[in-house]
Parts: sequence; structure tokens; C-alpha cells
Amino acid sequence: DSGVTQTPKHLITATGQRVTLRCSPRSGDLSVYWYQQSLDQGLQFLIHYYNGEERAKGNILERFSAQQFPDLHSELNLSSLELGDSALYFCASSGGTGRETQYFGPGTRLLVL
Amino acid sequence: QKEVEQDPGPLSVPEGAIVSLNCTYSNSAFQYFMWYRQYSRKGPELLMYTYSSGNKEDGRFTAQVDKSSKYISLFIRDSQPSDSATYLCAIYEGGGNKLTFGTGTQLKVEL
Repeated sequence: DSGVTQTPKHLITATGQRVTLRCSPRSGDLSVYWYQQSLDQGLQFLIHYYNGEERAKGNILERFSAQQFPDLHSELNLSSLELGDSALYFCASSGGTGRETQYFGPGTRLLVL
Repeated sequence: QKEVEQDPGPLSVPEGAIVSLNCTYSNSAFQYFMWYRQYSRKGPELLMYTYSSGNKEDGRFTAQVDKSSKYISLFIRDSQPSDSATYLCAIYEGGGNKLTFGTGTQLKVEL
């Protein structure tokens, strides 16, 4: 158990809908990272927050957004969902701003029908 | 060209074999090198972390980095069926403040 929690574990929704994925980092970790893992693209970095502020953006679509709250938990919002958004979404946390090792949560499996 | 290239496998070996997993990368700015193990339907877990050329050993696992060739390897000695998983190399570029992952190599260790 990495200490990172993610909810929900599974999510099934329809195209065009909006969903919110939630992540709680390990106790004391200030950084939260979001990744998308699909069969054809592998593990893709989406976005990094440190202590409430956005630090880096990767291949994140404009339909996706994230935020980190004062209690350090983070939410990833996915809107106008398309079939191709079906994937595993992982959250990871680390103590600092990136060089430190990242610890991954169990992931949320999203299926868009 | 992808920033990090990794053979997806699958790689099937008998129990007890020595396994060699490899990645190449293109950006010489990459500074830190990691190997993650991911079991099916689980989150990746960190196995090894190194930032210099050379070898780093931890139990049955040895990570090797050759910065001049932009080549990293993970060796698993005395492989066990419990080692069956996907192994992902990951490289950290300090300036970009992000980890770049290889696509992963699927390993199966058979009895």
C-alpha cells in the first residue's frame, strides 16, 4: 500500500458526460501528479500540482482540468467525455517538487460508453 | 522519436533465469532514472532509483545507467513467478519537472 488513495475505483459513464476523480496524497506529501494510462499510449503525464499551485502540464486535453485543495487532496475533472477517454487514471504523490520518487495510487478505471 | 523507448515484449523466461530489461532515451538533460513494477490492474510501484552512471544493486535487482549511450537497464537475478509484471522505466528531467515513462515491458516468469 503506497498511502495514496483514489476514488472511485471504477467509473462507467456515457459520452458527453462529466466526471470527477479524487486523489488523497500520502501524509505529508505536497505534490500530486495525474497520469493517464491506456493500452496504446502507455502512462502519460497529465499535470502536476505542488501545495495548491500548478507546476507542470503534460498532454492534458482542454476538456480536462485539475485542482489541488488546501488539505492537499486533488481532483481531476474530465468533461465532454469521448470513447477515447476510457483509460486508467493514476494519481501519484511526492514530498517535493518532482525529483523525489513518486508513489502511485491504485488508479481509477474509467469506461466511457 | 519518443523520448523514452522500451521494448513492450512480452518476455517469457523460466524460473531462475536472469532477466534483462532495457530502455533508451533521447534527451541528455534527463537526470534521474527509475524502474517501476506494475502488476495487472494495479498502480506502478517504485523498484529502483538512480541518478548516476554505473550500477546500483538492491537484492535480486540491479539497475544500470550508461549516460554516454543514453541506455538504462534493469537486471533481475533468480527470477520468480511473482516477478511477472510489467516493468516501466521512468526518467526525470529536472527542468521540465515531470517523469517520462517508457511504454513498459511485460514479463512472464514461468515455472
